[in-house]
Amino acid sequence: ETGVTQTPRHLVMGMTNKKSLKCEQHLGHNAMYWYKQSAKKPLELMFVYNFKEQTENNSVPSRFSPECPNSSHLFLHLHTLQPEDSALYLCASSQPTGSETQYFGPGTRLLVL
Amino acid sequence: AQKVTQAQTEISVVEKEDVTLDCVYETRDTTYYLFWYKQPPSGELVFLIRRNSFDEQNEISGRYSWNFQKSTSSFNFTITASQVVDSAVYFCALSAGNQGGKLIFGQGTELSVKP
Repeated sequence: ETGVTQTPRHLVMGMTNKKSLKCEQHLGHNAMYWYKQSAKKPLELMFVYNFKEQTENNSVPSRFSPECPNSSHLFLHLHTLQPEDSALYLCASSQPTGSETQYFGPGTRLLVL
Repeated sequence: AQKVTQAQTEISVVEKEDVTLDCVYETRDTTYYLFWYKQPPSGELVFLIRRNSFDEQNEISGRYSWNFQKSTSSFNFTITASQVVDSAVYFCALSAGNQGGKLIFGQGTELSVKP
């Protein structure tokens, strides 16, 4: 498998549920990103990891908890979400050196009821 | 401050028409990178092009071409002889040289190509 993959592609959860989004990249990159894309809004950067270390947290609420066990995998753990958290969550990867091209996965469409 | 503006929210054309998507950026950095991505209905952002601030040469790739003009801080994207498969949301993005790879996206332009 090549590129950046994300699972699940679709997720419906209640506000009291706990779920996790998974991202895997097969490009040999060492930087990984989580973005949120809400309807009618530009992409919002949430977290950045370089060599498994978190280097940016863009003021994301603590109900979103990222985890990067290695350079190929990135998780986003979700708990006690709100309906306004419904969005498309995109994962991306790149080389960590400055402004390298980021390659995106297909995203997870999340609906919080 | 870094900013990307895509003033065209939606564009609708008929197949085989040429269409230009506008992108205007703001940055105080002298080293920066500009990108275009395509987002089809499936959701995945597909990388189209990356251009650094020192290379103003226009680029053509098949039916796609890009016009980078530092004097007007613009990086416009033209699709020649548009096709239905070009229907998507197109995003312009900026990354400054000292921002650790952080991408600033425009609002996106939704292009609809009708047969």
